[in-house]
Amino acid sequence: GAGVSQSPSNKVTEKGKDVELRCDPISGHTALYWYRQSLGQGLEFLIYFQGNSAPDKSGLPSDRFSAERTGGSVSTLTIQRTQQEDSAVYLCASSLREGTDTQYFGPGTRLTVL
Amino acid sequence: GQNIDQPTEMTATEGAIVQINCTYQTSGFNGLFWYQQHAGEAPTFLSYNVLDGLEEKGRFSSFLSRSKGYSYLLLKELQMKDSASYLCAVMDSNYQLIWGAGTKLIIKP
Repeated sequence: GAGVSQSPSNKVTEKGKDVELRCDPISGHTALYWYRQSLGQGLEFLIYFQGNSAPDKSGLPSDRFSAERTGGSVSTLTIQRTQQEDSAVYLCASSLREGTDTQYFGPGTRLTVL
Repeated sequence: GQNIDQPTEMTATEGAIVQINCTYQTSGFNGLFWYQQHAGEAPTFLSYNVLDGLEEKGRFSSFLSRSKGYSYLLLKELQMKDSASYLCAVMDSNYQLIWGAGTKLIIKP
């Protein structure tokens, strides 16, 4: 009965480098979400995948951010040419379906850009 | 714009009752969620309200008034383990969750 898992749990990188963050959703969940959480702020929506539909990328803050979801399961969030303002906790969540189904969160990846 | 407001921090005593308020202004409404988040951990689901009224679940209850754009989370018989941040989130007309910044609850013995 695994929950949502994310890797790595912590990532320290230098400004300008690319990073990849991974999310394994709960098995059978068709919807997958990426959020960013900065200290003292609410969760910021980044991107949403539902089944085989085109993802909702409306929350991505710049074209340096991209994400893909392979085979309707594992997702990777890629940040190119990282900046210090990208430092945050990146949370992944999945739900059985889209809409009002409860989202279950992974433990997050804490990204620090030096 | 869309906005969720909740107090930044609250303090309460072990064994007591605390009410955490949340007010919202969003483009449409498809329900309001409360999540609990312990420091350094993932948010975990507490409650979902889509109709007006009170939903009770053990020591935790959640109330919604859609006409007032208002919800509260009521925690009874507080325990030290209830020290955490409590996140209010509203699902808008696009079924996107809009999140408040969270209320940090400190429980004192």
